[in-house]
Amino acid sequence: GDSVTQMEGPVTLSEEAFLTINCTYTATGYPSLFWYVQYPGEGLQLLLKATKADDKGSNKGFEATYRKETTSFHLEKGSVQVSDSAVYFCALNRVGNSGGSNYKLTFGKGTLLTVNP
Amino acid sequence: EPEVTQTPSHQVTQMGQEVILRCVPISNHLYFYWYRQILGQKVEFLVSFYNNEISEKSEIFDDQFSVERPDGSNFTLKIRSTKLEDSAMYFCASSEHTGELFFGEGSRLTVL
Repeated sequence: GDSVTQMEGPVTLSEEAFLTINCTYTATGYPSLFWYVQYPGEGLQLLLKATKADDKGSNKGFEATYRKETTSFHLEKGSVQVSDSAVYFCALNRVGNSGGSNYKLTFGKGTLLTVNP
Repeated sequence: EPEVTQTPSHQVTQMGQEVILRCVPISNHLYFYWYRQILGQKVEFLVSFYNNEISEKSEIFDDQFSVERPDGSNFTLKIRSTKLEDSAMYFCASSEHTGELFFGEGSRLTVL
């Protein structure tokens, strides 16, 4: 079945450091790939997405490229801020068994990022 | 901006008690979901719901669980007789046809 593996946390960085959170997936076909973020005390929010191979998703300075050859979707940011401290979840999305627009997300375990001033 | 809201934010219950977690999805969304996250583990799919019936459910979603859309706005998850291992954060989500799921803030369930 589908699975997502992301790097174990926690990750602690200083402000303005470069961030990489690795994510690899196992899936048949062509799933869409997502990064969700959960800020303290809040729900899961979509950070960025890519729907086909070689697509690059980007938002708030974060980027991730859908690499089908390496089945990866690594999250990067060139210069992190204290406000980026959160848990980051990599996920893949495919149409559920009942078809239509019923989608089913498979998540990684999440990576806690702490950015210190 | 429209959002998914969940209540309660935290519920503590005794083993064997019934629990109902409530969700108000985004008003024009047609697909509804429950996910859960046991502390330190992955966010797991429980069930999806469309057109007043379950579209798909995971093996976790056994006979102790049920979902309902009792009126035009609420979407509930009922756990009939809670077990210790049901302690988790439960997330509700909704989507339209684009495949992007919008999540609520979660309801933390603690079973003692």
